[in-house]
Amino acid sequence: DAKTTQPPSMDCAEGRAANLPCNHSTISGNEYVYWYRQIHSQGPQYIIHGLKNNETNEMASLIITEDRKSSTLILPHATLRDTAVYYCIVRAGSGSARQLTFGSGTQLTVLP
Amino acid sequence: EAGVTQSPTHLIKTRGQQATLRCSPISGHTSVYWYQQALGLGLQFLLWYDEGEERNRGNFPPRFSGRQFPNYSSELNVNALELEDSALYLCASSPGTGVRETQYFGPGTRLLVL
Repeated sequence: DAKTTQPPSMDCAEGRAANLPCNHSTISGNEYVYWYRQIHSQGPQYIIHGLKNNETNEMASLIITEDRKSSTLILPHATLRDTAVYYCIVRAGSGSARQLTFGSGTQLTVLP
Repeated sequence: EAGVTQSPTHLIKTRGQQATLRCSPISGHTSVYWYQQALGLGLQFLLWYDEGEERNRGNFPPRFSGRQFPNYSSELNVNALELEDSALYLCASSPGTGVRETQYFGPGTRLLVL
């Protein structure tokens, strides 16, 4: 699976959009981009995933660049409860390598 | 719909003992994954079970083992516990094979080895 690079930490004002970047320059054509978050050592929570088109759900939007080498997770109106570590993961899912490979993630702190 | 459940929530053992952790996947999910998150370290993949078979394992010693039952629930067994086995153990389930399968995590079992 491709490696990802994320900033170690970011701050965001409550009510503003939080934009979390992820670089995955070695991504392969059949690899998806997944985002999870982990709040204070709870189990990671699935947020969203995509292949090459932008995706949106009730939690967030995922913007993937045309060359698929980077992506941005957007939380449109951040709240204090969005403070968490956000993980960007690239995974193909074929063969025996179905597991998720977690990096260090981005610690997002939403400030009041 | 009930999510992934894990038991116990906390477990305290002494070095050399054995620990058994349990996971019940989301209804309809056939794949179960186990991950370890030691203090200050990231989540590391332990084991993957699908349809009752071990499909893949991470870089952990053989004293980490498990199984998946016919109802797709799973057990993780850790033998000969060492102090560094103290960690949050997370279970995730997914609907099965396929590139777009999504893993959903349980709340974890926090194991403390004294």
